[in-house]
Amino acid sequence: GAVVSQHPSRVICKSGTSVKIECRSLDFQATTMFWYRQFPKKSLMLMATSNEGSKATYEQGVEKDKFLINHASLTLSTLTVTSAHPEDSSFYICSAHELNEKLFFGSGTQLSVL
Amino acid sequence: AQSVTQLDSQVPVFEEAPVELRCNYSSSVSVYLFWYVQYPNQGLQLLLKYLSGSTLVESINGFEAEFNKSQTSFHLRKPSVHISDTAEYFCAVSDQGTGFQKLVFGTGTRLLVSP
Repeated sequence: GAVVSQHPSRVICKSGTSVKIECRSLDFQATTMFWYRQFPKKSLMLMATSNEGSKATYEQGVEKDKFLINHASLTLSTLTVTSAHPEDSSFYICSAHELNEKLFFGSGTQLSVL
Repeated sequence: AQSVTQLDSQVPVFEEAPVELRCNYSSSVSVYLFWYVQYPNQGLQLLLKYLSGSTLVESINGFEAEFNKSQTSFHLRKPSVHISDTAEYFCAVSDQGTGFQKLVFGTGTRLLVSP
């Protein structure tokens, strides 16, 4: 079946640094990918919709300059958390949309900002 | 806007016992409903979905969910659970107008199956 690979699974960084998270669709082309954020014991919250070859669409309240999304190819979308702060610590999950309404999720990235 | 409520954060159950994971939603428009499962160290996987037609939908591994429009619920059930069903279960809803992609999730229910 279709697989979405998300890397890294866990990252620890210092406050003020930037962190890049990759989301790859391994055996299908994904024109659309999604980025979610999950706080402990909270829902997965959609952050943005990443469209190949165009700018990402951000949900209300999500800082686009803080969370940079690049969808440069049909199999790769990246989320860069710029100038990370402890409040950015969270679990980030990507998903990729295949044809026939199927949506596949990555295994997530646990970001800890010290 | 839609919202999803999963009141039970954790449900402990013994192997071979029945289980129900509750999900209620709120929406002013017609919705699609989903259950996703997340096994340890893995991504979310679609368990089952309701799009239209029969209100009772089933998965290949014995789970079923029933869409109840009057109660705005989509509870997940299994008559006899296995140890391997231990996982986090997420209920999700999407607006029929926006399609299947833009999902609103509940907070998840951790199913713990013990021998």
